[in-house]
Amino acid sequence: AQSVTQLDSQVPVFEEAPVELRCNYSSSVSVYLFWYVQYPNQGLQLLLKYLSGSTLVESINGFEAEFNKSQTSFHLRKPSVHISDTAEYFCAVTAGTSYGKLTFGQGTILTVHP
Amino acid sequence: GAGVSQSPSNKVTEKGKDVELRCDPISGHTALYWYRQSLGQGLEFLIYFQGNSAPDKSGLPSDRFSAERTGGSVSTLTIQRTQQEDSAVYLCATQTSGAFLNEQFFGPGTRLTVL
Repeated sequence: AQSVTQLDSQVPVFEEAPVELRCNYSSSVSVYLFWYVQYPNQGLQLLLKYLSGSTLVESINGFEAEFNKSQTSFHLRKPSVHISDTAEYFCAVTAGTSYGKLTFGQGTILTVHP
Repeated sequence: GAGVSQSPSNKVTEKGKDVELRCDPISGHTALYWYRQSLGQGLEFLIYFQGNSAPDKSGLPSDRFSAERTGGSVSTLTIQRTQQEDSAVYLCATQTSGAFLNEQFFGPGTRLTVL
């Protein structure tokens, strides 16, 4: 079985500041890692994912995450946030068995202040 | 529509009543998941359907919960004899066949409140 821990339930930051949302996972098998985002009054949507290859993955809106196998982490970072990044962010893993059942973390609410 | 739709968007019911939640998947998506998002529990997997295969029900919390998927398309999640701890947002997600590592597309959810 897998588990995911998001260490911060809420992260307040000012606009244009850098941010890091932390995610650690536990698994006895290899996993695939995802970050999903839920903007206010919207459904969950995929932000980025790590499947294989380069351990640094990027999204189209400037977020990046780095898979660190030794530390079992997949932290999400952005060098300069915007008001529009205010949302709840979920880290998720799947063991990639015959289907993609996701195990989610508790979520981190990112609030960007002007 | 282009996305996953769910109905109703909100449901308020009394303890002990049965409720039925509906999910309309993206056309052509054969994989369908139900998740539950509740305070203190985060997002948790409930059940998975893939085509005509037997569903994986391993996440259903009790035998009061059941789900079906008719004709490989619309899915309904039924909760019998609702309890206050069933209050949560129930999310449906669908995925293209044979691509289990691809994005799961989530619906807007049904917010269930059990009084």
